[in-house]
Parts: sequence; structure tokens; C-alpha cells
Amino acid sequence: LAKTTQPISMDSYEGQEVNITCSHNNIATNDYITWYQQFPSQGPRFIIQGYKTKVTNEVASLFIPADRKSSTLSLPRVSLSDTAVYYCLVGQEYSSASKIIFGSGTRLSIRP
Amino acid sequence: DAGVIQSPRHEVTEMGQEVTLRCKPISGHDYLFWYRQTMMRGLELLIYFNNNVPIDDSGMPEDRFSAKMPNASFSTLKIQPSEPRDSAVYFCASSLADRNQPQHFGDGTRLSIL
Repeated sequence: LAKTTQPISMDSYEGQEVNITCSHNNIATNDYITWYQQFPSQGPRFIIQGYKTKVTNEVASLFIPADRKSSTLSLPRVSLSDTAVYYCLVGQEYSSASKIIFGSGTRLSIRP
Repeated sequence: DAGVIQSPRHEVTEMGQEVTLRCKPISGHDYLFWYRQTMMRGLELLIYFNNNVPIDDSGMPEDRFSAKMPNASFSTLKIQPSEPRDSAVYFCASSLADRNQPQHFGDGTRLSIL
């Protein structure tokens, strides 16, 4: 079971780059790493996914070291609208509900 | 494309009443998930379906909870009888079959049991 560990909360300011790290020491060979973003009164929303090295899209970058035991979500030049909870999810093995765990997430607060 | 649609968005009812939450997944998606979110416990997976068949309901808290998926475009989560501790936001999500496909969530139903 690939349990994840993230910081409970982070604070930053508009225009800064924010990096949120997730630890997943027991990640399985076939597991991908997926990050979701959740705003108040909304369901989580997929933002990025990766397997190794670096992935970049229009919203964020995801850095994964060679051992894959952690990953870092990077949000460039954040704005107030990036205030949300961010979840790291490892593997989505649909053979068992016990392998689909969102955890407590990281509450990111962006200040002016 | 329409996303996952949940109804109602808000439900307030008295303890002991039956509550039915509804979900329409994204067309073509093979998996459907029901989650519950509270401040204390975070986002918990209750049950999920593959091609309308329940696969794992180990997250369902007790027998008062039941879920059905009569067809590929509709699912219900029922609580009978409801209790104040069932108050939470309930989310439905769907995804394609590949294990690494992301889940697409609805906007949830905020349930308050008085």
C-alpha cells in the first residue's frame, strides 16, 4: 500500500514559485503519481500526472527523482486563485479500494 | 463535454429520514466512485463500481449505507435511516478503465442531518 505524506499546510505570496513535496516510500513499480487540486465547495480536479523525471503542462510541473520515493509539484508564479488543497495520489490500482487513498492533502494559502 | 453531475447540491433533512444522492458519470467511463469528505476524516472512498458492478464496498461505514448502479449512466447512494454523523460532502467521480487514468469529480452533495 503506497501511503503518501505531505505537509499539512503551506503559505506563500503572489508571484512566487511554490513547491509541494510528497513522500511515497513504498511506491510500486507500476504506480504513477497523480496530483489533484480542490477548491472550496468543489470536487478535486486533476492537474498533473507523471511516472519519472519531469512532466510539465500549462498549470504545473512535476519533478520525480530516480528512486521515485518522492515527488514535487511546482506551481510557477502563484496567484490568489491558487489557494486550494493539493492532494498527491500514488497508484490507482482498481483491484482494491484500500489502494485509492487521497490522504489529508496540503492546504496552500496565497497572500497578496 | 458534460462532467460528472450530482444531485442535489444541498440536502437538509431530519435524523431518521431516508436520503438518496444521485450521480451521472461521464459517458464512456468504466469506473464510478463514491467518496465522503469531512473535516475530521478527509476524503474517504466509500465504494466503487466497474461496468456497473460493485467492486469494493469496504469503505461503506455501515449497513445503513447502500449504493446501486442500475446502468452505465446513473448511480445512487442511499442512507437509511440517516444520522447526524452522516453530515458531510459526498462526491461522485468517474474514470476510464486504465489504472492510471485520472478521476473526474462532480461538485458534490452537501448533506446536513439535523
